[in-house]
Amino acid sequence: AQKITQTQPGMFVQEKEAVTLDCTYDTSDPSYGLFWYKQPSSGEMIFLIYQGSYDQQNATEGRYSLNFQKARKSANLVISASQLGDSAMYFCAIRGTGGFKTIFGAGTRLFVKA
Amino acid sequence: DTGVSQDPRHKITKRGQNVTFRCDPISEHNRLYWYRQTLGQGPEFLTYFQNEAQLEKSRLLSDRFSAERPKGSFSTLEIQRTEQGDSAMYLCASSPPAGGLAGELFFGEGSRLTVL
Repeated sequence: AQKITQTQPGMFVQEKEAVTLDCTYDTSDPSYGLFWYKQPSSGEMIFLIYQGSYDQQNATEGRYSLNFQKARKSANLVISASQLGDSAMYFCAIRGTGGFKTIFGAGTRLFVKA
Repeated sequence: DTGVSQDPRHKITKRGQNVTFRCDPISEHNRLYWYRQTLGQGPEFLTYFQNEAQLEKSRLLSDRFSAERPKGSFSTLEIQRTEQGDSAMYLCASSPPAGGLAGELFFGEGSRLTVL
């Protein structure tokens, strides 16, 4: 079984600054994938970034990067140069070896201040 | 490509009534998922289809819930004898066959259920 823990219910960041959203996970699977999704107030979940457990390098996608520390079982999302449009809920998620069931954390609400 | 489509977007019903939600995945996606999301929480896995086969069903899915994907294309989620605790957003997602561990989920906009 997999589990995701997001300990920050809410985060504030000033526009143009960087912010880190925390995610820790628990799994007994030897290989797994970690995901981050964004959910704006409109409700639709949007995929942001993926990190495989055997990937040697941290994933990056534009302003998003994933700080993957396998030994600590953490997969923090870093958003650089925050924009007002980044205000949303952010969910960390994990998929195990079975390859189909994705488990989500409770999310972190990010507020970007002008 | 029109994305994942869900219908209806909003449903208000009285306790005890049956409701049905429909999901049309992205056309080439053979994997389809249903999730439930309550206010302030992350999506909770309900069930998964690969083509027309329902391969996993969460314990959250009581006997009042049933999901089908008869021809491996669209899917329906039916809730019988609704209860107030069923009020939530029901999310459908799909993913392509080659995704494996890395394949992200493509979500619809959800169907919001309110049980009075």
